Amino acid sequence: NAGVTQTPKFRVLKTGQSMTLLCAQDMNHEYMYWYRQDPGMGLRLIHYSVGEGTTAKGEVPDGYNVSRLKKQNFLLGLESAAPSQTSVYFCASTGASGGPGDTQYFGPGTRLTVL
Amino acid sequence: ILNVEQSPQSLHVQEGDSTNFTCSFPSSNFYALHWYRWETAKSPEALFVMTLNGDEKKKGRISATLNTKEGYSYLYIKGSQPEDSATYLCAYSGGSNYKLTFGKGTLLTVNP
Repeated sequence: NAGVTQTPKFRVLKTGQSMTLLCAQDMNHEYMYWYRQDPGMGLRLIHYSVGEGTTAKGEVPDGYNVSRLKKQNFLLGLESAAPSQTSVYFCASTGASGGPGDTQYFGPGTRLTVL
Repeated sequence: ILNVEQSPQSLHVQEGDSTNFTCSFPSSNFYALHWYRWETAKSPEALFVMTLNGDEKKKGRISATLNTKEGYSYLYIKGSQPEDSATYLCAYSGGSNYKLTFGKGTLLTVNP
């Protein structure tokens, strides 16, 4: 099993450009999450999904959109990138039951720089 | 807004020292407390999930305790080794919420 994978690993954008980050998991997990990690800020939840076809806002959703068309994939979109979105983005998924006591499994991260 | 606080922010110890860090979290609507280990340039990896007041978990030289009534958890490392150097994150889950709220982490550096 590959676990949680993210593509791309690195990306540089210019202000105003758009892009999509892909997260894929092969563990049949119902719940998936997108976080951003900034120095001194810890992990902050952007959006999450409790199942195929559903999404919900997290702590810092502005400027991002997400889609969960297939259970195994969770896409994070930036429609018009801004320098404030320079960050490391982590995807995570959690077990089949999806309970809050379930461990979250993290992908390797995507380092995004917006110039 | 849920506040999950970790202290200290960073810690330097010598190889062989034992150390501990604190995570404080809201004591109301508690469901679970998670500890993760996060090495530089890698993904966070789960250490423990604790759900019951008084829970104690142990994995090798690392152990954790939980006090849900007063809203804190301790992580202990016995006989620290350089490979223990990492950021240790705690995360709180409340009620039926499926989201985790993370603390900012404690950065541990173990000098040989």
